[in-house]
Amino acid sequence: NAGVTQTPKFQVLKTGQSMTLQCAQDMNHNSMYWYRQDPGMGLRLIYYSASEGTTDKGEVPNGYNVSRLNKREFSLRLESAAPSQTSVYFCASRPRQGSVPLFFGSGTQLSVL
Amino acid sequence: DAKTTQPNSMESNEEEPVHLPCNHSTISGTDYIHWYRQLPSQGPEYVIHGLTSNVNNRMASLAIAEDRKSSTLILHRATLRDAAVYYCILIGLNAGNNRKLIWGLGTSLAVNP
Repeated sequence: NAGVTQTPKFQVLKTGQSMTLQCAQDMNHNSMYWYRQDPGMGLRLIYYSASEGTTDKGEVPNGYNVSRLNKREFSLRLESAAPSQTSVYFCASRPRQGSVPLFFGSGTQLSVL
Repeated sequence: DAKTTQPNSMESNEEEPVHLPCNHSTISGTDYIHWYRQLPSQGPEYVIHGLTSNVNNRMASLAIAEDRKSSTLILHRATLRDAAVYYCILIGLNAGNNRKLIWGLGTSLAVNP
């Protein structure tokens, strides 16, 4: 049971470089999410996709773009990385919006130098 | 936005019960109480959730106060593998609730052998 798979697990970027974080789920979930987690702060929502074909901003969307490629895949793109984007990024999914459990990936640790 | 309050840290001995408290005095009638835990270097993992009645599953029990302003996650026999950060969050039924999910810092549980 793969669940939610994130790639890569670790990445180091230089300021100004771009990259895409990949996320795929095999649970046929409609809703997918991208969070970041920083020391001393709780998880913060970057973007989410309530269903295939829709995306919406979360709490901290600046500096990021997303693509819901299909029902399985939801990618997060940093167009011009900044040191403030150094963080651990988590992708999550759930069957639908509302009060149902979220399933998380194991995270991507990103450092921007 | 409904917020939860948890102790920063707690400690337990192996094979003893653990009661993790959570206060949510501003909970609304349609908010479900969810508990997740995060093991070191992993994404959060769903533990249990409930609305009004106490709930049990293979991982834990959830005791909800009659006025719903507080709840307690109960681990019946702590193991070393239960050492993690435990998050209590409120998730409503409304479709647009995702941006309002507030993940605090949770309770860091240490389990002594």
